[in-house]
Amino acid sequence: GAVVSQHPSWVICKSGTSVKIECRSLDFQATTMFWYRQFPKQSLMLMATSNEGSKATYEQGVEKDKFLINHASLTLSTLTVTSAHPEDSSFYICSAKLAGVVDTQYFGPGTRLTVL
Amino acid sequence: GENVEQHPSTLSVQEGDSAVIKCTYSDSASNYFPWYKQELGKRPQLIIDIRSNVGEKKDQRIAVTLNKTAKHFSLHITETQPEDSAVYFCAASLPNFGNEKLTFGTGTRLTIIP
Repeated sequence: GAVVSQHPSWVICKSGTSVKIECRSLDFQATTMFWYRQFPKQSLMLMATSNEGSKATYEQGVEKDKFLINHASLTLSTLTVTSAHPEDSSFYICSAKLAGVVDTQYFGPGTRLTVL
Repeated sequence: GENVEQHPSTLSVQEGDSAVIKCTYSDSASNYFPWYKQELGKRPQLIIDIRSNVGEKKDQRIAVTLNKTAKHFSLHITETQPEDSAVYFCAASLPNFGNEKLTFGTGTRLTIIP
């Protein structure tokens, strides 16, 4: 149980285009999902906390107009990188918490974004 | 906010020996401490976690200890095997009414030498 999927697993796009990444909890309801980015050989940096039916809470330094987050249902959150640039190239990982259960986060497999 | 430091950044041990990774946290209110294992290009996988009302937890070859007074916690892997080679991350979270967010350490690259 507690499986989280992400789609796509990798994407290559041209500079200036927008990319949408989906995060789904497959076998449980997730009232809260988190989005992280991870640069090579570095740790996971939290970008934002996504709650179903409400606006995401962004970490300091993360541009909310650039990284649009939508958590429209208890099983789906999306991250849209708008007007992507090469510096946005990274590994984006989501995680989800079981509704009603504190603390434990289950991670998706990640999406590798390469912006040319 | 919370700050988590992790040591060492790299660790090599002979197969069969034990490995210990240590983390310290800054906020005494943190109450949840998970450890994740991440293989190259893969998702972080929860391997063990501990809450602040417990001092030690064990699951087969893996154990975690927590010292709340000193604000540090450690991961212990015994009888290491080649498949234990990976990057390990510790994390800490503060209570936040269901929106607890994790602050990760910088990671430890563990290599098991056959």
